[in-house]
Amino acid sequence: GESVGLHLPTLSVQEGDNSIINCAYSNSASDYFIWYKQESGKGPQFIIDIRSNMDKRQGQRVTVLLNKTVKHLSLQIAATQPGDSAVYFCAEYSDTGRRALTFGSGTRLQVQP
Amino acid sequence: DGGITQSPKYLFRKEGQNVTLSCEQNLNHDAMYWYRQDPGQGLRLIYYSQIVNDFQKGDIAEGYSVSREKKESFPLTVTSAQKNPTAFYLCASSLERNEKLFFGSGTQLSVL
Repeated sequence: GESVGLHLPTLSVQEGDNSIINCAYSNSASDYFIWYKQESGKGPQFIIDIRSNMDKRQGQRVTVLLNKTVKHLSLQIAATQPGDSAVYFCAEYSDTGRRALTFGSGTRLQVQP
Repeated sequence: DGGITQSPKYLFRKEGQNVTLSCEQNLNHDAMYWYRQDPGQGLRLIYYSQIVNDFQKGDIAEGYSVSREKKESFPLTVTSAQKNPTAFYLCASSLERNEKLFFGSGTQLSVL
């Protein structure tokens, strides 16, 4: 069935390093992908999105890479800061079937000072 | 200020009681969603609505009900049939179904 999963449940990095959070998806019909950041007790915040006609998109300090061949998505955070500590979710959308975002289980990013 | 407002922030339910979680948006979005989040877990879709007076079941709709009488409002009722209701409930909206979701700040529901 459709599913979105993450390789690493917890990622610990040093402040100033670059972080890479990975996500695998199984629905080859998915054509829209989003990364969200969630701090404890709060709702998820949008970080960046990408559509399937692209393989890379950059924002402020963040880059999303999409590899449709192996159904893999990644979020790169440059110069990670303590304020980046949170849980990160990838989500996918397909215009067939349910027509709503499916979320992965999340990766916790811990930034060490 | 445009956004999504969920209330209350904390809610307690007694055995056999129905409770309703409020979700209001002033973003003029057509689509609205309810997700459930258990500790250390991802988000699971309960119900969603793409237009007024229409809604569809998500992955875990049993024990929940919704209504969409107004574009701005999408209340969720947790019924007594939901035997394990303790969770963090998140409401979201999007301009269209294949656009990014904007989330509210959530309601933590606990059972007394």
